[in-house]
Order: sequence, then C-alpha cells, then structure tokens
Amino acid sequence: SQKIEQNSEALNIQEGKTATLTCNYTNYSPAYLQWYRQDPGRGPVFLLLIRENEKEKRKERLKVTFDTTLKQSLFHITASQPADSATYLCAGGSARQLTFGSGTQLTVLP
Amino acid sequence: DGGITQSPKYLFRKEGQNVTLSCEQNLNHDAMYWYRQDPGQGLRLIYYSQIVNDFQKGDIAEGYSVSREKKESFPLTVTSAQKNPTAFYLCASSIPRDISSNQPQHFGDGTRLSIL
Repeated sequence: SQKIEQNSEALNIQEGKTATLTCNYTNYSPAYLQWYRQDPGRGPVFLLLIRENEKEKRKERLKVTFDTTLKQSLFHITASQPADSATYLCAGGSARQLTFGSGTQLTVLP
Repeated sequence: DGGITQSPKYLFRKEGQNVTLSCEQNLNHDAMYWYRQDPGQGLRLIYYSQIVNDFQKGDIAEGYSVSREKKESFPLTVTSAQKNPTAFYLCASSIPRDISSNQPQHFGDGTRLSIL
C-alpha cells in the first residue's frame, strides 16, 4: 500500500538555525506533496504544495524540495523561531487519494 | 471568518452507544472529508463526500456512517460496531469535487472521542 514516512523522532534545534524535515514515499509516485503544520489539539493548517515536475518551492522562510529519484521531499524552515515549534505533516497526493505521514514534532529552543 | 467548525471538542461514548460528531463549513467547498488521527499514525481517511447526497468510503469506514444532506454539513456517526473508537477525529473540506485535485484541505480543530 502507498506510504508516506516521516521521521518519528522529535527534532530539537536552536533558535536561528535551519530546521530540515524529511518525507519519504513508498509504493507509489505522488503527483504532488503537501506540507501542513499541526499544533497540539488543533487541526492541520496547509503550508506549501509542490508538484512532481517542480524541484523546489519557497514561501517566506519555508522551502520544500521534491526529489523523484530519491522518492523524498525535504522541508526547510530557515531562521527558525520558538513559534515554529509544532508537528509538521507531509501528505502525498495521487489519482486515488491524499496519504498523510505521521508527522515530525519540531521544537525550536530559545 | 470562513472556516470549519467541529463540535463537540470532547466526547465520551458508553459501550453500545452511537455518537455523532458535527462538522459544519462556511467556505462553500464542494468536498468534505473525515479523518481519524491516532498517536504515531498518519491521518486515515474514513469517508469523503464530493457533492451533496453522495459519499464514498475511505480506508477505514467500518463502524462509521455519514450523511451529506446539505453542502455545509457532513456529520459522522461512530456506531457501536466500531470497537476501537478512541481517537482524534478531524473534518476537512476542499474546493473541488475531485479527491485527486492538488488543492489544499482546510481542517477543523477536531473532536477527541474517548470511551467511558
């Protein structure tokens, strides 16, 4: 079955550094990938979308890449701030459905 | 402000009881979805609806039922047949009817269901 895998271990980084989160997909080739932010007890909020024919997308301090050879997307937050602390979800879309990963919890330490 | 409202925020179910989770949106979106979120797992699709009076099963529909009588509303009933209902339930909507579209999904703030 199609899977989206994210690093289940929490990621702690120092304020001001760049956070890099990884999303790998298996058993299918998503036409696009979406990244969401989820705060405790809240629903996910959409951040960025990247299509399979795009290498890189940027939005303010956020950057996402899509490597179809490695079957991987990287999500970067530059100049990270404590307010960036949250769980980040990757989702891969195909003709059939949107498949979500379990998310990576990011903590930015002041 | 436009958005998705889920209620209640917390819900407790007794053995053998059916409970209904409410989801209302004022975004004028055609498509609506129900997901279940468990610790350490990704969101799993329960049901989705692309248009009023029509809905399809997702990956884990057993023990759940839905209705879509109005564009704005997509309630989920957790029946007594669902043996492990404790989870965080999320409702979402998106503009197009086609589930394969790359349009983002807009989520409510969820209902946490627990068993008494």
